[in-house]
Amino acid sequence: QKEVEQNSGPLSVPEGAIASLNCTYSDRGSQSFFWYRQYSGKSPELIMSIYSNGDKEDGRFTAQLNKASQYVSLLIRDSQPSDSATYLCAPRTGGSYIPTFGRGTSLIVHP
Amino acid sequence: SAVISQKPSRDICQRGTSLTIQCQVDSQVTMMFWYRQQPGQSLTLIATANQGSEATYESGFVIDKFPISRPNLTFSTLTVSNMSPEDSSIYLCSVEVRTGETQYFGPGTRLLVL
Repeated sequence: QKEVEQNSGPLSVPEGAIASLNCTYSDRGSQSFFWYRQYSGKSPELIMSIYSNGDKEDGRFTAQLNKASQYVSLLIRDSQPSDSATYLCAPRTGGSYIPTFGRGTSLIVHP
Repeated sequence: SAVISQKPSRDICQRGTSLTIQCQVDSQVTMMFWYRQQPGQSLTLIATANQGSEATYESGFVIDKFPISRPNLTFSTLTVSNMSPEDSSIYLCSVEVRTGETQYFGPGTRLLVL
C-alpha cells in the first residue's frame, strides 16, 4: 500500500521566515512529485512539481527531492500571511495517472 | 491548465435521496477523476471517469452507490445515490489535460446530508 506521510501541523512561522514542509513516501516506484496548496474551503491548486533529485526553484518556492531517502520537501522563503494554507504532497508512480495524496501540513504565517 | 466548473457548488440533501454533480471543462482532456475530501482529511479517489465506457472504481467505492458518466472529453457527472449523513463531504472533479501531466481540480461541491 502506498503511503505518504506529512506532519499535520500546524506549522507556525513568522512573516518573512522560511517555512519548511516535509514529506516521506513509501513507494520506491514514485517518479513524479507534486505539491498542492489548499486554502480553507477551496480546492487544491498545483504550486510545484519535481521529477529529479536535487532542488527546483520557482520564485519563493523550492522543492527538494531525495529519492534514495524517499523524501521530498517544500521550502517557502519570505513567508507571507497569504501563504497560510494546507500543503499537500502527492507522489506519483511512473506509469500511473493518479498521485497518492498525503493528509497535508497546515501552515500558519503570522504577522 | 484547464478551467473546470462544477454544479452545484453546494447542496443540502435529505437522507435516502440522490444528487448528481456535474463537471465541465473548457477544453478536451485525457483523464477525468472524482475525489472525495472529508473534513480535515486528504483527498480520496473515488473513480476514474472513462469516456464512452464504465468508470474505474477504487477499492471501497461501487458503481451502484456512485454511478459516473463521461459522454465526451469535456464533461462528466457523479451521482451520490441513496445518501446518508456519512456521505457529507466535498466532492472534487479533477482532470489531466495531457498524459503524464499533473492534475487540476475543480472548485468542488460541498454536500451536507441530513
